Amino acid sequence: QVQLVESGGGVVQPGRSLRLSCVASGFTFRNNGMHWVRQAPGKGLEWVADIWYDGSKEYYADSVKGRFTISRDNSKNTLYLQMTSLGAGDTAIYYCARDEWGGMYKVLDYWGLGTLVTVSS
Amino acid sequence: QSVLTQPPSASGTPGQRVIISCSGSSSNIGSNTVNWYQQLPGTAPKVLIYSNNQRPSGVPDRFSGSKSGTSASLAISGLQSEDEADYHCAAWDDSLTGYVFGTGTKVTVL
Repeated sequence: QVQLVESGGGVVQPGRSLRLSCVASGFTFRNNGMHWVRQAPGKGLEWVADIWYDGSKEYYADSVKGRFTISRDNSKNTLYLQMTSLGAGDTAIYYCARDEWGGMYKVLDYWGLGTLVTVSS
Repeated sequence: QSVLTQPPSASGTPGQRVIISCSGSSSNIGSNTVNWYQQLPGTAPKVLIYSNNQRPSGVPDRFSGSKSGTSASLAISGLQSEDEADYHCAAWDDSLTGYVFGTGTKVTVL
């Protein structure tokens, strides 16, 4: 069965950096694009970034562009999110999700349980 | 901020039908398929409807989706207590070159 397990969250001071990881299992990781989605406390979902199956293209939300970098290591079945210049607005649960592209549709069909990032002094 | 607009809340009694709307624009819903995600309290989202009206295996047929122009809707028929959750619509946005979510709707079973 498909499993996505995030890690790397925690409490970090404003302006500092943090790297999140998401280990995938139960499917051929190199065949699927992957996303990061976040959810601030009591708020809705916000898409953060996605990366193609081979890492050749990346897309970012305007709110994180230039500060966050998504990457992947297909040999390790692992997705990453490098976050820099963190601010209070980045406090959220960060989910990784698998992209399933069916030609005419695109859906985030499996999600991890999430990892909590708290930016606070 | 979200570019897809949903009502903040919806409610119904057990057995009733509830409809949640999702309003977008030509660059997202008007150009791409819509997905709906259900998020039960304290859990991660899970896909409920994909490609406007398709249900993944295991999702009851009480849930149905539709799309017309730049709007979409999710219908829950025969509302049950376990349907109490947050529901989020989503679609790819060609102008933003990114995936956009709706503002989210909290469904309460009275």
